[in-house]
Amino acid sequence: DTGVSQNPRHKITKRGQNVTFRCDPISEHNRLYWYRQTLGQGPEFLTYFQNEAQLEKSRLLSDRFSAERPKGSFSTLEIQRTEQGDSAMYLCASSSYQTDTQYFGPGTRLTVL
Amino acid sequence: TQLLEQSPQFLSIQEGENLTVYCNSSSVFSSLQWYRQEPGEGPVLLVTVVTGGEVKKLKRLTFQFGDARKDSSLHITAAQPGDTGLYLCAGGAYNTDKLIFGTGTRLQVFP
Repeated sequence: DTGVSQNPRHKITKRGQNVTFRCDPISEHNRLYWYRQTLGQGPEFLTYFQNEAQLEKSRLLSDRFSAERPKGSFSTLEIQRTEQGDSAMYLCASSSYQTDTQYFGPGTRLTVL
Repeated sequence: TQLLEQSPQFLSIQEGENLTVYCNSSSVFSSLQWYRQEPGEGPVLLVTVVTGGEVKKLKRLTFQFGDARKDSSLHITAAQPGDTGLYLCAGGAYNTDKLIFGTGTRLQVFP
């Protein structure tokens, strides 16, 4: 059973650059979530897809952030013009429509210099 | 705004001791999930509870969902160094599919 995978695991970038992260959910899961976690805090919800439809976005998701799930399988999260405050762990999770249980990937650690 | 508060924030104990972590809210949740997270990794699911008053046991870990579905507890018996990590509770809300995470409890078990 393959779990949720995320790439890259680590990303270091300079302020002002664009970055893109990828998430591959568990294959039979139709729901996919993005969360952000800063040091010492619990994860905070960013956005959520059911199949290819983006159904909910947090106010945390500024206009510099965009997420896609074009074929209802993998998803990408892009951050444009990165700022130092974007430094965090970006977590992806997936679930099936039958349960609330979300399974998380290993995360992508972003450091903006 | 739905909030989940965990206590204590930090816990440092000796191997063999028992401990309880609490997760409290003023909001009602449809389900409550507990995760453990290691540094630099994603949260790993421990258990999901969905019924008020439900108790689930996972080896030395006992999870309880409050009768009113507003709170939960995690009890660890005879803690071991391998139990060290960040414990997170997360509530599933009725009107959304996102999880609301607690503030986390960082547990350190010394041999």
